[in-house]
Formats: sequence, structure tokens, C-alpha cells
Amino acid sequence: GENVEQHPSTLSVQEGDSAVIKCTYSDSASNYFPWYKQELGKGPQLIIDIRSNVGEKKDQRIAVTLNKTAKHFSLHITETQPEDSAVYFCAAQRNQFYFGTGTSLTVIP
Amino acid sequence: DTAVSQTPKYLVTQMGNDKSIKCEQNLGHDTMYWYKQDSKKFLKIMFSYNNKELIINETVPNRFSPKSPDKAHLNLHINSLELGDSAVYFCASSPGWATQYFGPGTRLTVL
Repeated sequence: GENVEQHPSTLSVQEGDSAVIKCTYSDSASNYFPWYKQELGKGPQLIIDIRSNVGEKKDQRIAVTLNKTAKHFSLHITETQPEDSAVYFCAAQRNQFYFGTGTSLTVIP
Repeated sequence: DTAVSQTPKYLVTQMGNDKSIKCEQNLGHDTMYWYKQDSKKFLKIMFSYNNKELIINETVPNRFSPKSPDKAHLNLHINSLELGDSAVYFCASSPGWATQYFGPGTRLTVL
């Protein structure tokens, strides 16, 4: 089955700086890669996704890049704000979803 | 107008008891899931149901049984609760095998 690794497990940045979270996957047939944000006491919420036929996607301060050859994809958050503090999960999907182990992001005001 | 809802939000119970968690989605999705999130925040899929048929059962103990009375509901029943069952349980739904939408979670504490 698929194996998704996510790094780092914790990340602290100053407000206004950028944050990058990286994931690797093992199954080259995986074709859909969503990112979820989980705030304290809530369920994970989709923030951005990318399909295997696209290399990059951007939505305001959030962007995701995909390198199919290297089988890795990354989440980029620019101009971070305190409300970006949360746990972020990547996932890879072929038929079912496989989630990464999560990154706890703290944005320091 | 909540998309995926779960009840209860908190559940505290004694070892050995039997309990159920309910999940409902009003998105018209045909696939629903149950996930377990442990204290380290790892998300592990437990079950998924598509059109009332169980598709995935990821080596979950048979004390856990999903029940889907209709396409909009997927309940989780747990028999003989153990300390290790303490976790947050999330229900989710998706249109086919597409983006999943999660409920708010149920925090289960077994004493």
C-alpha cells in the first residue's frame, strides 16, 4: 500500500515569515494530493489540493507543489499569521486516502 | 446546515461498557468513513462505507462495528471498551473516492 511521510513534525515561524511542509509518497499511481488543516478541537478541513497532472497550485497565501518524478509534494504558506497555527496533514490518494503524520505549525506573533 | 455532524462530542465511560457514536452527512455523498486520531494526532482509517457496503476494514478489532442505516448515516458501535480505545473519532464523507469532508470529532475517554 501507499506510505506517506511528512516533515517536519513541528514547525515554529515568526509572523510574516513563510512556512513549508513536505511530504513524500511511495505509490507512483497516487493521483490526488490534498492538504488539511486541523485547528484545536475541530476536524480536519481541506485547504488546498492538487492532482497529478498539475505541478503547482496557488490560492492566496497558500500554494502546493508536486514533483511526480521524485514523488514528493509540499505546502507553502506565505506571510504567516497567528490564525495559521494548527496541525496540517498531507494525504495521497490512489483509491483510498493515506494521511501523513501531521505537522504542528505555530506562528509566533 | 452542518455538512457532517457527529454525536456526542464528548463521551466518558467505564471499561467494559458498550457505546455508539452517530454520524450524519447532508452533502449527498455516497461514501462515509470512520477515523481514529490518537494522542499523537495520527489519523488512522477504520472503516469506509459506499452504498451500504463495507469497503475498507483496516485491521480494526471486531469490537468495533460500523452500521449504516442509509446513505446519510454511518454509526460506530464499540463493544467491551478498553483503555486503549480512548481517542478522538472522526466521521468523514466524500463523493466516491474524492475529497473527504470531516465531522467535528467525538472525544472518547475510557476510564
